[in-house]
Amino acid sequence: DSGVTQTPKHLITATGQRVTLRCSPRSGDLSVYWYQQSLDQGLQFLIQYYNGEERAKGNILERFSAQQFPDLHSELNLSSLELGDSALYFCASSLQGSTDTQYFGPGTRLTVL
Amino acid sequence: DQQVKQNSPSLSVQEGRISILNCDYTNSMFDYFLWYKKYPAEGPTFLISISSIKDKNEDGRFTVFLNKSAKHLSLHIVPSQPGDSAVYFCAASAGNTGFQKLVFGTGTRLLVSP
Repeated sequence: DSGVTQTPKHLITATGQRVTLRCSPRSGDLSVYWYQQSLDQGLQFLIQYYNGEERAKGNILERFSAQQFPDLHSELNLSSLELGDSALYFCASSLQGSTDTQYFGPGTRLTVL
Repeated sequence: DQQVKQNSPSLSVQEGRISILNCDYTNSMFDYFLWYKKYPAEGPTFLISISSIKDKNEDGRFTVFLNKSAKHLSLHIVPSQPGDSAVYFCAASAGNTGFQKLVFGTGTRLLVSP
C-alpha cells in the first residue's frame, strides 16, 4: 500500500459525458501528479500540482483539467469524453518535487462507451 | 516521439538466473532515471533510481547500470524470483527543472518461472 488513494476504482460512462477522478496523496506529500496509461502504452504525464499550484504540464488535452485543494487532495476532470479517453488514470504523490520518489495510487480505470 | 524506449515487450527467465531489462533514451537533458515495477491491478511501485553522475546503483538483488554515452540503462535482477514477475517501467526526468516530470517507457513484462 503506497498510501495514495484514488476513487473510484472503475468508471464506465458514455461519450460526451464528464467525470471527476479523485486522488488523496500520502500524508505529508505536497506534490500530486496525474498520468494516463492507454492500452499497451507507457504512462503519459498529464499534469503536476505542488501545494495547490500547477507546476508542470504534459500532454493534457484542453478537455481535461485538474486542481489541488487546500487539504492537498486533487481532482482530475475529464469532459466531452471520447472513446479514446478510455484508459487507466494514475495519481502519484511526492514530498515536494525534484528527485523525490513518486508514489503511485492503484489507478482509476475509465471506460467510455 | 518516444523519448524513453523499452524495445523488449517481454522477457522470460528461469528462477535463480539473471534478468536483464534494457532501456534507451534520446533526450540528453535527462539526468535522473528510475525503474518502477507494476503488478496487475496495482499502481507502479518505485524500485531503484540512478543519477547521471553515477554509472551504477545497487540495492539488494537489483542493480541499475547507466551508460550515458550510449544513452542506455539496464536493470539487473540477480537471482530472479517468481515474485519478480511483473511489468517493469523505465522512467527518466530532467531534474534541472526543479520538479520531476517523469517520462516513461512502454514497459517490459518479466516472467520468472520456477
